[in-house]
Amino acid sequence: EAGVVQSPRYKIIEKKQPVAFWCNPISGHNTLYWYLQNLGQGPELLIRYENEEAVDDSQLPKDRFSAERLKGVDSTLKIQPAELGDSAVYLCASSGQQAGTGELFFGEGSRLTVL
Amino acid sequence: KQEVTQIPAALSVPEGENLVLNCSFTDSAIYNLQWFRQDPGKGLTSLLLIQSSQREQTSGRLNASLDKSSGRSTLYIAASQPGDSATYLCAVSDDKIIFGKGTRLHILP
Repeated sequence: EAGVVQSPRYKIIEKKQPVAFWCNPISGHNTLYWYLQNLGQGPELLIRYENEEAVDDSQLPKDRFSAERLKGVDSTLKIQPAELGDSAVYLCASSGQQAGTGELFFGEGSRLTVL
Repeated sequence: KQEVTQIPAALSVPEGENLVLNCSFTDSAIYNLQWFRQDPGKGLTSLLLIQSSQREQTSGRLNASLDKSSGRSTLYIAASQPGDSATYLCAVSDDKIIFGKGTRLHILP
């Protein structure tokens, strides 16, 4: 069974440029999360989806970040325009159960460097 | 607001030793607690999931315990090996999933 797939693994851009990250969750997992992880820190939630509905986006900086999960399967996280402070690892995770009740599975992450 | 703390932040032990990693949380009303391993430059790998009704879970050389009333969990690693070197994170789940900052473990050959 394939795990959570993310792309790209690495992205280097200049500030003010746009960037997008893609995530394909484990087949059948209706719950999808996007996390941000800074060096030496634990992951911090950006947004949680139940199917195609964003049920928790309270930590998503909506002035520059957006996310979508149009068909309730794969998801895209976009930053426009990127700032220097956005340099971090963006992690996608999925679960077969709702609202944090089930086991969480992570992808390898997308490492963003903003110059 | 749930807060998760992992102490120590870093730990070095000689190969073969048994060791314990600690995780504490402030709100005991949780669904579950999960332990993860993270290798440098990689994502998080799930190690053990303990539901709120359980006291412990075991997988191979790993044993995780949960004491909700005291807000604590421990991850016990038996007979440590150099391949166990990684960062270990715990996450507690209530309405949100909150992570600790992790313990960086280094097993000395």
